[in-house]
Amino acid sequence: QKEVEQDPGPLSVPEGAIVSLNCTYSNSAFQYFMWYRQYSRKGPELLMYTYSSGNKEDGRFTAQVDKSSKYISLFIRDSQPSDSATYLCAMSASGGSNYKLTFGKGTLLTVNP
Amino acid sequence: GAGVSQTPSNKVTEKGKYVELRCDPISGHTALYWYRQSLGQGPEFLIYFQGTGAADDSGLPNDRFFAVRPEGSVSTLKIQRTERGDSAVYLCASSSRDRGTLHFGNGTRLTVT
Repeated sequence: QKEVEQDPGPLSVPEGAIVSLNCTYSNSAFQYFMWYRQYSRKGPELLMYTYSSGNKEDGRFTAQVDKSSKYISLFIRDSQPSDSATYLCAMSASGGSNYKLTFGKGTLLTVNP
Repeated sequence: GAGVSQTPSNKVTEKGKYVELRCDPISGHTALYWYRQSLGQGPEFLIYFQGTGAADDSGLPNDRFFAVRPEGSVSTLKIQRTERGDSAVYLCASSSRDRGTLHFGNGTRLTVT
């Protein structure tokens, strides 16, 4: 079993839909949780960063972390065609090795106009 | 300002050849990371530099892989005796301090024929 599991999709939704993306993990040492967006042939760019459990909102994006279930989610409201990309969850442990990110496989999202 | 720059953007080489991949981090960033992203997968950690020294090279797959950062800025990832399984996108990232937000470059797409 991989440390981080992410359904690769692909996911196709109409413009304006609410999108839910999820990851599960097995390493209870993970304390820092991130969502990256990656456009085709580009590097990942950080969207959301959360420490430990709870919710964080930034515009149309909401990140949720449930450490008891080892489950994290990203919600995108009012999705736009420009949101079409691969979404990667990433996480790291606390302490001396928290620079080392473990990524999920990524979910390919297409938002259709 | 300029982001992380990686050259070349594409590299095709024959099995058994030696390659060098270059990373120019964001000016002033002391931490530098190399990740490898195979097709359909998330990035996997290779090596982390703090300044000139490799603080963690535990992700390098074998001794054919080596990375340097002699002056604490530009880094070069070197792969000897390339194999077809080395084909992937090699991503470089930098951060302004240890464990800060990672800023990724667009990667070098390596194809070994």
